[in-house]
Amino acid sequence: DGGITQSPKYLFRKEGQNVTLSCEQNLNHDAMYWYRQDPGQGLRLIYYSQIVNDFQKGDIAEGYSVSREKKESFPLTVTSAQKNPTAFYLCASRRRNEKLFFGSGTQLSVL
Amino acid sequence: GENVEQHPSTLSVQEGDSAVIKCTYSDSASNYFPWYKQELGKGPQLIIDIRSNVGEKKDQRIAVTLNKTAKHFSLHITETQPEDSAVYFCAASKETSYDKVIFGPGTSLSVIP
Repeated sequence: DGGITQSPKYLFRKEGQNVTLSCEQNLNHDAMYWYRQDPGQGLRLIYYSQIVNDFQKGDIAEGYSVSREKKESFPLTVTSAQKNPTAFYLCASRRRNEKLFFGSGTQLSVL
Repeated sequence: GENVEQHPSTLSVQEGDSAVIKCTYSDSASNYFPWYKQELGKGPQLIIDIRSNVGEKKDQRIAVTLNKTAKHFSLHITETQPEDSAVYFCAASKETSYDKVIFGPGTSLSVIP
């Protein structure tokens, strides 16, 4: 089946640690996105990538980093500079002028 | 940049009644307005979308209306069922490129049997 796979489903971070969230898609979509979701709030854009080896900051990029070495993959690293990382992280992808497809999300918590 | 507001934040209706969720956007260049439904612990899924060249679109019990002049758009769910209970997000974007999609804060809909 085609789709977007996020892993792990649950992740715990110790203070001062960097953690990486995985996002893989087999939909042949050019664009990929990372959103952060906090309880009672909407989806806020962290980073997005329109093409391999290129990406742009979203509204809340501080404390996060991404890479786009392959069309299928768009991993997100939550660095130690992100002081409030606890949230539900959603990856999405799409073709030009088509809808966003979302993964099932990763819940990140701080130990 | 674009800003999307959404009301109400929570909504409870009796099964069989209608539910209406309203959104406003700020960027007059936005021309694509999707609605997503998110069930607990899952990623959002598109339920309906509308482009700026139409004023209304229907799909069975779901309809969306768009007023470009006022920069308002709304989701209407008729004959609500318990399985409609979820969080609903409106969004806005420009479809000329892979522009970012900006979401509203969401509405938690509860349908009471």
